[in-house]
Amino acid sequence: DTAVSQTPKYLVTQMGNDKSIKCEQNLGHDTMYWYKQDSKKFLKIMFSYNNKELIINETVPNRFSPKSPDKAHLNLHINSLELGDSAVYFCASSRFRDRRLNTEAFFGQGTRLTVV
Amino acid sequence: RKEVEQDPGPFNVPEGATVAFNCTYSNSASQSFFWYRQDCRKEPKLLMSVYSSGNEDGRFTAQLNRASQYISLLIRDSKLSDSATYLCVVNMMEYGNKLVFGAGTILRVKS
Repeated sequence: DTAVSQTPKYLVTQMGNDKSIKCEQNLGHDTMYWYKQDSKKFLKIMFSYNNKELIINETVPNRFSPKSPDKAHLNLHINSLELGDSAVYFCASSRFRDRRLNTEAFFGQGTRLTVV
Repeated sequence: RKEVEQDPGPFNVPEGATVAFNCTYSNSASQSFFWYRQDCRKEPKLLMSVYSSGNEDGRFTAQLNRASQYISLLIRDSKLSDSATYLCVVNMMEYGNKLVFGAGTILRVKS
């Protein structure tokens, strides 16, 4: 069973389109994330949700809107796609840290988005 | 200053060599530290957590120096299969999760 799964794995689309990426985790974790890995391979956090509540929004354009229908799902919708949005988007999940637990994140396989 | 900094490498080493990677972090309140490994076109995977007392897992040893805000990873007896990008990860929040990744250090082990 895949712990963190995201779909689709590949997404090729034209500039100006709207697209969504879905993510689901079956680990019972409270916290889910979206990361973006650009062409320079740098992994940058975009959003973090804890129990469906937005915790972190790292200066991401408003065109990106995460949605968490329940704590096992975190989807990412992107409006008006631009060339610069081309990257690999990773979903991840972890337990919520409460000062005592070490809370490593588990990643999905990534969605390779290409905007043409 | 970047939140998490690593030497990007690449480190080119022969099989059997010992290699060490370093990482510094900016937030002294950080409590959790990790090393991840990422293979080409794959997702990052946890290699090991880093504890205050230091920890070892087979050929891998991780150390934490809170006073210097510095984390290290030592790989002994390098294997070809160790070739990958090694990512230093720090949870920047004392309560809650904000896992910040370093840019990664590329390791190439050659026969």
